[in-house]
Amino acid sequence: KAGVTQTPRYLIKTRGQQVTLSCSPISGHRSVSWYQQTPGQGLQFLFEYFSETQRNKGNFPGRFSGRQFSNSRSEMNVSTLELGDSALYLCASSLDRGGSTTGELFFGEGSRLTVL
Amino acid sequence: AQSVAQPEDQVNVAEGNPLTVKCTYSVSGNPYLFWYVQYPNRGLQFLLKYITGDNLVKGSYGFEAEFNKSQTSFHLKKPSALVSDSALYFCAVRDEDSGNTPLVFGKGTRLSVIA
Repeated sequence: KAGVTQTPRYLIKTRGQQVTLSCSPISGHRSVSWYQQTPGQGLQFLFEYFSETQRNKGNFPGRFSGRQFSNSRSEMNVSTLELGDSALYLCASSLDRGGSTTGELFFGEGSRLTVL
Repeated sequence: AQSVAQPEDQVNVAEGNPLTVKCTYSVSGNPYLFWYVQYPNRGLQFLLKYITGDNLVKGSYGFEAEFNKSQTSFHLKKPSALVSDSALYFCAVRDEDSGNTPLVFGKGTRLSVIA
């Protein structure tokens, strides 16, 4: 069974640009969560999508957005990039809402964004 | 609000020695507790969880964790460390009464096992 796939794995952008990251969950998983990982802050929750609807949102500015398609694939977008947006963006899928019952999230390898 | 703290940024242990990675939590209800591990340039992998029942939970790769309600702790342990255990470890918590809120992760503890 294929795992969670994130693309691209690495990308470099400049301030003011925008970026779109993609996540394909494990087949059959309907929940996709996004996290931002930085050395100083650890993992911070961005948002969760389930059945194409945003169910939870973290404390990030409106420049961060996402969506989920009918095949459960998800994208997140960051507009007007800032230096502080440099991070590893992790996507996680689960059968149930954010792993709320099993607690088990299946993570992709992440998209490492560098903003210059 | 739920929160989790990992008081040590770095833990160093010699190969073959027991290891402990500490985690304390704060929830208003009953906790669901989890440990994840991240190897270099990889995503996080689930190790083990405590939902209810026996306070000693066994997980993957020989790891175990002990739930201590009075100390609000959920420390990760392994009797004999391997060099291959070197990685970044994350503790996470969810309040049983919080519905479908997302897992809250600690900032991570980097474990270094020295040969």
